[in-house]
Amino acid sequence: KAGVTQTPRYLIKTRGQQVTLSCSPISGHRSVSWYQQTPGQGLQFLFEYFSETQRNKGNFPGRFSGRQFSNSRSEMNVSTLELGDSALYLCASSTGTVLYEQYFGPGTRLTVT
Amino acid sequence: SQQGEEDPQALSIQEGENATMNCSYKTSINNLQWYRQNSGRGLVHLILIRSNEREKHSGRLRVTLDTSKKSSSLLITASRAADTASYFCATGSGGSNYKLTFGKGTLLTVNP
Repeated sequence: KAGVTQTPRYLIKTRGQQVTLSCSPISGHRSVSWYQQTPGQGLQFLFEYFSETQRNKGNFPGRFSGRQFSNSRSEMNVSTLELGDSALYLCASSTGTVLYEQYFGPGTRLTVT
Repeated sequence: SQQGEEDPQALSIQEGENATMNCSYKTSINNLQWYRQNSGRGLVHLILIRSNEREKHSGRLRVTLDTSKKSSSLLITASRAADTASYFCATGSGGSNYKLTFGKGTLLTVNP
């Protein structure tokens, strides 16, 4: 099976712009989670989608949003970018059952200037 | 906020030695998982231990879980230079709102 893919891999944006990141999960996986990783805060959970519904959400401002499509692909959007949004954004997919392990994509490195 | 806290933050050993990393957490969990991340890349799942298990093995990895102390340890035996990476513990909790909460990780350097 193909792994989790994320596009783009690298992105440079200017403060105030918006950005959309894409994640394609492993075939058959219905759950997609998003994480933000920074040197200062580490890995922080953004949100999780299961069968097109947001099932769980972390403590991030409303500028961070996401959605999941019927084919389980997911997008994450950040509006009005701030310098502090510079991070590695990781997407992970899983089957979605309670005791699951997550399979991570390579991440999208976002730099906000 | 981080649930798991790894200890030590950094560990440097020689090839062939064993490496032990510890993780402590605060609330009740369904399971605890360990992941590895090579520099700036995605995470790779290593092992999952359920809350009713005490020890689990996978190849050169041995994980223990002590729910009474809310702690876990990851032992890598006969380490190799390729094991150089950051290691994270992640606690899984919740029912319908299940999520993983990661610690800040241990940076392991294995010197050849």
